Amino acid sequence: EVQLVESGGALELPGGSLRLSCAASGFNFSTYEMDWVRQSPGRGLEWVSYISAGSAAIYYADSVKGRFTISRDNAKNSLYLQMNSLRVEDTGVYYCARDRWGAGHTGRYFDLWGRGTPVTVSS
Amino acid sequence: DIQMTQSPSSLSAAVGDRVTIICRASRSVSSFLNWYQFKPGEAPKLLIFAASTLQSGVPSRFAGSGSETEFTLTISSLQPEDFATYYCQQTYATFRTFGQGTKVET
Repeated sequence: EVQLVESGGALELPGGSLRLSCAASGFNFSTYEMDWVRQSPGRGLEWVSYISAGSAAIYYADSVKGRFTISRDNAKNSLYLQMNSLRVEDTGVYYCARDRWGAGHTGRYFDLWGRGTPVTVSS
Repeated sequence: DIQMTQSPSSLSAAVGDRVTIICRASRSVSSFLNWYQFKPGEAPKLLIFAASTLQSGVPSRFAGSGSETEFTLTISSLQPEDFATYYCQQTYATFRTFGQGTKVET
C-alpha cells in the first residue's frame, strides 16, 4: 500500500527537542521530494520545510529556520524533522507529504499525505 | 511570501447544494494552485492541482477554476462525505503557502 506514516509526536516543554519520523512505503521514496506541514488552531495550515530527493536542496519557513532540521534516509525510506528550541507556537499536528510535479511541469502539488503526529509544547 | 486568502472561512450547506469557495493570492501564482480536503483523523486528500486538474480518483462533482490571483473550488452537488475543511495552496513560490481554510458544515 502506498502510504506515509508519521511518528514521534509528544508533549514537550518549551525549549525542549523532538524528532519526528515519516515512514514511506509502497513507492520509490528516493525519487520524490518531500515536505513537512503543520496544522494548529492558531496558525492554520503552515508549510514547514522541504527537502529534495537527494537532499541537495532544503528550505524552511521563517518561523522554524535555525531551530528545525529536515533530513531523510533513502535507504530506510524515511523522512525526519529534528525540532529544537521548541516554542508554544510550535504546537500542532505535523504531516509529511510527497511533493511532485505534474506532467510537463504543469503544476506542483502534494499528492500523498500521512495522518499526522501531534506535537504539544507546554509547560 | 505570497499570502493566500480564502472565503468564506466557514459555510453551512445541505446535501445536494452547490458550494463555491474562493481563494485569492496576494500576487500572481500563475496556475500553481491546489485544493485539499481535510477530515479529522484522516490523511489529507489532494482534490485539484494546477488550478483545474482533477486528481485521479476524485469525484467529478469537484471542479477548480481560475488563474493568476483568483481561484474557485466548486462542489456541484454536496454529498455527505464532503463535509470537511478545504484549503487552497500555492506552489508557485519556494515557500508553499496555504489559505486559512473553509469549513463546510451542515
